[in-house]
Amino acid sequence: KNQVEQSPQSLIILEGKNCTLQCNYTVSPFSNLRWYKQDTGRGPVSLTIMTFSENTKSNGRYTATLDADTKQSSLHITASQLSDSASYICVVSGGNAGNMLTFGGGTRLMVKP
Amino acid sequence: GAGVSQSPSNKVTEKGKDVELRCDPISGHTALYWYRQSLGQGLEFLIYFQGNSAPDKSGLPSDRFSAERTGGSVSTLTIQRTQQEDSAVYLCASSLAQVQASPLHFGNGTRLTVT
Repeated sequence: KNQVEQSPQSLIILEGKNCTLQCNYTVSPFSNLRWYKQDTGRGPVSLTIMTFSENTKSNGRYTATLDADTKQSSLHITASQLSDSASYICVVSGGNAGNMLTFGGGTRLMVKP
Repeated sequence: GAGVSQSPSNKVTEKGKDVELRCDPISGHTALYWYRQSLGQGLEFLIYFQGNSAPDKSGLPSDRFSAERTGGSVSTLTIQRTQQEDSAVYLCASSLAQVQASPLHFGNGTRLTVT
């Protein structure tokens, strides 16, 4: 069964600190892995998309890594800001279903001043 | 440029009534998705349209739910005889034809409350 597991479920950090969110998946065959940021009351917004051959991709203070062998990804946030408070969703594209997207349950991040 | 637009942004309805939720995708996007998100939960897939292909309806929770996409653009999600457990945020997303390489662009959702 295609699954995407994220950890931790929630996280509280102080402004300026770094943090790392984890994503493990069992989707097969694998096409790509995406990280989305969802602010409260808004739709998710794409941060990164990584294919099988990409190990790391950055978008400003966000850096995603991918280990396709162990089927793990991480999202590292550097020098956190209050505006980073949001849910971060890992989505894996692949599998045999028509829609081909499996969503993780998200990590809820709160950045405190 | 214009993003994905959903309407209404909020809808309160009485149990047993029918509701229609609308999604205007980004122009030129042939793939369109509907998801449901309950409070504090992850996204639940409902239905997927890709061009003129038959839609993937595997996520629809019951036959009270249906969706159509007219002219390959605007989509409507219809919930008949609404129940309280249908209360959630309904999100629409669109992407370019090549799903494998294209990010989803989400609307801000319709928050449905069934009283």
